[in-house]
Amino acid sequence: DTEVTQTPKHLVMGMTNKKSLKCEQHMGHRAMYWYKQKAKKPPELMFVYSYEKLSINESVPSRFSPECPNSSLLNLHLHALQPEDSALYLCASSQDSGGRIDTQYFGPGTRLTVL
Amino acid sequence: AQKVTQAQTEISVVEKEDVTLDCVYETRDTTYYLFWYKQPPSGELVFLIRRNSFDEQNEISGRYSWNFQKSTSSFNFTITASQVVDSAVYFCALSGIKNNFNKFYFGSGTKLNVKP
Repeated sequence: DTEVTQTPKHLVMGMTNKKSLKCEQHMGHRAMYWYKQKAKKPPELMFVYSYEKLSINESVPSRFSPECPNSSLLNLHLHALQPEDSALYLCASSQDSGGRIDTQYFGPGTRLTVL
Repeated sequence: AQKVTQAQTEISVVEKEDVTLDCVYETRDTTYYLFWYKQPPSGELVFLIRRNSFDEQNEISGRYSWNFQKSTSSFNFTITASQVVDSAVYFCALSGIKNNFNKFYFGSGTKLNVKP
């Protein structure tokens, strides 16, 4: 079962709010990813977790804070966002990320609007 | 440098027509994988196929077929007898190892409109 779930589907928040995006997979994958996708653009990698440790941060502003509580869950904490952060946020997982190439399976995404 | 080019920004066809989506890639790696993903309006990126650099066999899955040619660095995707449900944005991606992790390089995507 290649399924990655994400909640919420839609989120509207003000620039002073704090919110979190959640991602879950039960495929036993050990690598999880956050991507940001603006309209009519490809996904852009934000963070990679491998075996519950942050291994890649693609120079993402600190107002985005990832967290991996266990091997199945990935959160993205949002604080003091800007309107330009409005986008589709996609979570993905793969069997592994270290030293081998694996298929990444994506969730349905959270459409975030920052007012 | 790794790069994927999808020169076709948008294609419109009428149902039952065949359509080919082009993908050209650049890499200096000898081991790499190529992928196609479909993104319908709902937003989820759906995995379609993966091909490794050592396997140039073409693949057919129902109405979908893929043509991988290392000589021209291309990995094209053909939909035969297109249907309205094929309407989506299609992304070609190249995967390699960067800093010991699996990094995807996406093309800019091709939006396919299939009209009834």
